[in-house]
Amino acid sequence: GEDVEQSLFLSVREGDSSVINCTYTDSSSTYLYWYKQEPGAGLQLLTYIFSNMDMKQDQRLTVLLNKKDKHLSLRIADTQTGDSAIYFCAESISTGTASKLTFGTGTRLQVTL
Amino acid sequence: DSGVTQTPKHLITATGQRVTLRCSPRSGDLSVYWYQQSLDQGLQFLIQYYNGEERAKGNILERFSAQQFPDLHSELNLSSLELGDSALYFCASSALAGGHNEQFFGPGTRLTVL
Repeated sequence: GEDVEQSLFLSVREGDSSVINCTYTDSSSTYLYWYKQEPGAGLQLLTYIFSNMDMKQDQRLTVLLNKKDKHLSLRIADTQTGDSAIYFCAESISTGTASKLTFGTGTRLQVTL
Repeated sequence: DSGVTQTPKHLITATGQRVTLRCSPRSGDLSVYWYQQSLDQGLQFLIQYYNGEERAKGNILERFSAQQFPDLHSELNLSSLELGDSALYFCASSALAGGHNEQFFGPGTRLTVL
């Protein structure tokens, strides 16, 4: 089955690191994504990781994947007020001819001064 | 700006009515996806089309239907609307149908059913 879980809320101080966690249940997931949603806006893809990777770094973003525990995390270094948003992890169940994303519940990140 | 456009931005209607939401994918993208975001259900996949053909189906109600036209734009039709259908409806597009294919999301249509 497919189920993706995230904690609902995270508050950090500006300049600190943020770590947003996600657990998924479908071991056949091939790609895992992190999306950002700002108020009144659509979803913006931040980064992704293939299921055969353990880590991916992209500027201030670091994604860690623990396949054994089906745990995914997103670390944002030097968190800024502009990072305040809702962050969704998503797993992709994909074949060669179709795909769909199953999203987590979303984590609201609040950055304080 | 993702390049995906959705109209209208807001829609207010009454229970029992029917509405049509429209999506234009990014230039060159052949795949279109529809998602529903509501407070109680979260963000849920509804349906995928690729070059006019349905490819994947999620938790889409029988009262809802979609299609993708030859010019690749897509429409989501919602009928016999209920209060619980109030939600944000997103369209996304991607170049490919499967595999790792980055989905680009539109700004959404906010549907309010009164």
